[in-house]
Amino acid sequence: AQKITQTQPGMFVQEKEAVTLDCTYDTSDPSYGLFWYKQPSSGEMIFLIYQGSYDQQNATEGRYSLNFQKARKSANLVISASQLGDSAMYFCAMRERLGYGNKLVFGAGTILRVKS
Amino acid sequence: SAVISQKPSRDICQRGTSLTIQCQVDSQVTMMFWYRQQPGQSLTLIATANQGSEATYESGFVIDKFPISRPNLTFSTLTVSNMSPEDSSIYLCSVEYGSSPYEQYFGPGTRLTVT
Repeated sequence: AQKITQTQPGMFVQEKEAVTLDCTYDTSDPSYGLFWYKQPSSGEMIFLIYQGSYDQQNATEGRYSLNFQKARKSANLVISASQLGDSAMYFCAMRERLGYGNKLVFGAGTILRVKS
Repeated sequence: SAVISQKPSRDICQRGTSLTIQCQVDSQVTMMFWYRQQPGQSLTLIATANQGSEATYESGFVIDKFPISRPNLTFSTLTVSNMSPEDSSIYLCSVEYGSSPYEQYFGPGTRLTVT
């Protein structure tokens, strides 16, 4: 079974600074996808960024970038120029292929607090 | 991206009753998913719902407790039956969207409290 590990229960960052949220994964499937989601206190899950296992370049979306190190099985999220609105829970997830479709396997999450 | 709505957004229910949660997508999608997020926990997949077939449930979830309907390509319902306080969670609908590799989007969630 696939597994996602987020070792940082909570992180603090100063406003306007960059922060890295760690994610490691374990899978024997050569084809996989990695996702990052943001969950504010409202509970909605906001899609941030996606990285495919065969993608040659690291994914970027605005202030979000994914530091994908395939050999180390890590997919860390980098948020640049942090804003107060970035305070939320962040989940790393991996797509697991099933016979009848796909499912996302989530890590435990990291709570990010941005300080002014 | 796909726009997903859920109703109700939150509810407080008495134990022993049932609640049906609706999920509506603004585009036709093949795969719809229902996830549960218990308080302070991560998300866990309940079941996968394809249009025109029975939902496929993950280990630990059964159809009698969480019946699912998928009448068309834009709509699904999840019922939480015979509720107990342990069912208090956020229930989230999700869809795969676009072309492979598919992105996966979530609805705003239904926050359920069982008293």
